[in-house]
Amino acid sequence: EAQVTQNPRYLITVTGKKLTVTCSQNMNHEYMSWYRQDPGLGLRQIYYSMNVEVTDKGDVPEGYKVSRKEKRNFPLILESPSPNQTSLYFCASSLGSGGYGYEQYFGPGTRLTVT
Amino acid sequence: GQQVMQIPQYQHVQEGEDFTTYCNSSTTLSNIQWYKQRPGGHPVFLIQLVKSGEVKKQKRLTFQFGEAKKNSSLHITATQTTDVGTYFCAVGNEKLTFGTGTRLTIIP
Repeated sequence: EAQVTQNPRYLITVTGKKLTVTCSQNMNHEYMSWYRQDPGLGLRQIYYSMNVEVTDKGDVPEGYKVSRKEKRNFPLILESPSPNQTSLYFCASSLGSGGYGYEQYFGPGTRLTVT
Repeated sequence: GQQVMQIPQYQHVQEGEDFTTYCNSSTTLSNIQWYKQRPGGHPVFLIQLVKSGEVKKQKRLTFQFGEAKKNSSLHITATQTTDVGTYFCAVGNEKLTFGTGTRLTIIP
């Protein structure tokens, strides 16, 4: 089954404790991205990757890191989480950028709480 | 990156009434996508519009792209409880920007 998986689905952590949210897709997609969703703000893009070893900042990259060493995986790293990073996070993938007309496939989401 | 404003933020309708959400940009868009997110779910792609003045239909859903390619709308005719959710538009090139969404609730 074609899908985007994220782990963990739920995470409660404390300020400053490094964490990684994994994202994997099995559709051989070149484009992957991370979004955060907050009430009233919609989906905001954190980072995106056009291909392996190619990553770029989205609209809200501060406090996050990403890497794209393999085509299928695109982990999101919070080196020192803070309470303002409490949010619902979505990973998405597509054949190409959604801006060029490619349908984005979203993962199920990761609800992160930082205390 | 490209910016887009989406209105209204919320819409409550009686079942059977129509619903419309709008996305507006100050710049000309190359294309626009629409997504639906059910409560507790993830966004799911609905459609993409590319051409000036384009109109596409999916059963009770009608999508329009403005002549100047600066605005778009999603209209649902005779809403049903299955239409509940938040509807987003998305624009951009490599960097994708989503509208803030319109949350549709339906009163049975």
